[in-house]
Amino acid sequence: DIQMTQSPSSLSAFVGDRVTITCRASQGIKNYLAWFQQKPGRAPKSLIYGASSLQSGVPSKFSGSGSATDFTLTIRSLQPEDFATYYCQQYYTYPWTFGQGTKVELK
Amino acid sequence: EVYLVESGGDLVRPGGSLRLSCAGSGFTFSCCPMNWFRQAPGKGLEWVSSISNFATYINYAPSVRGRFTISRDNAKNSVYLQMDSLRAEDTAVYYCAREMPTIEDATDFWGRGTLVTVSS
Repeated sequence: DIQMTQSPSSLSAFVGDRVTITCRASQGIKNYLAWFQQKPGRAPKSLIYGASSLQSGVPSKFSGSGSATDFTLTIRSLQPEDFATYYCQQYYTYPWTFGQGTKVELK
Repeated sequence: EVYLVESGGDLVRPGGSLRLSCAGSGFTFSCCPMNWFRQAPGKGLEWVSSISNFATYINYAPSVRGRFTISRDNAKNSVYLQMDSLRAEDTAVYYCAREMPTIEDATDFWGRGTLVTVSS
């Protein structure tokens, strides 16, 4: 199975900050990488697919980059509604696997 | 608007069975492969199973292969997950999600989930 490793596991930030989350795959996955946002008690929400393509309706302050094994999710100008847990997921090969999550908290 | 609504979650004893359903609306159900994911309490996300548009291709996570069966009925706009030989570690919120019609394997819409608790 492909292991997905996110860093950091958690971070604290102020409203207005820019934050970057990284995701590393244990082997190359081309650009078959998605990012999800999840708030407590809610279903995951798809943000990005294909490593860098924004889902419809997702604000452009979210951006993704990377290919092969190293990927990043950047959130510009954090707002209160952005405090959540973020997951990366590879869909290059079965079984699809997720990173352990990054919790973004208010400082 | 696309909606996915899961149902069928319950408290079941170890070794028991349960069938989850997911009803889709707001789109042509046969357009899209469908998936089940799960999330154990306080844990991360785990992919469970995938089924192609017309059930030609099916895949399972190693942790459920041989115990769970995915199926779909496009006439009823529904996908199902038959879960047998349930274990305590199957306790989780189960989500269904559709794959994007034009982007292979990438999911876009997810349901709100249904809770399965396996306990004696």
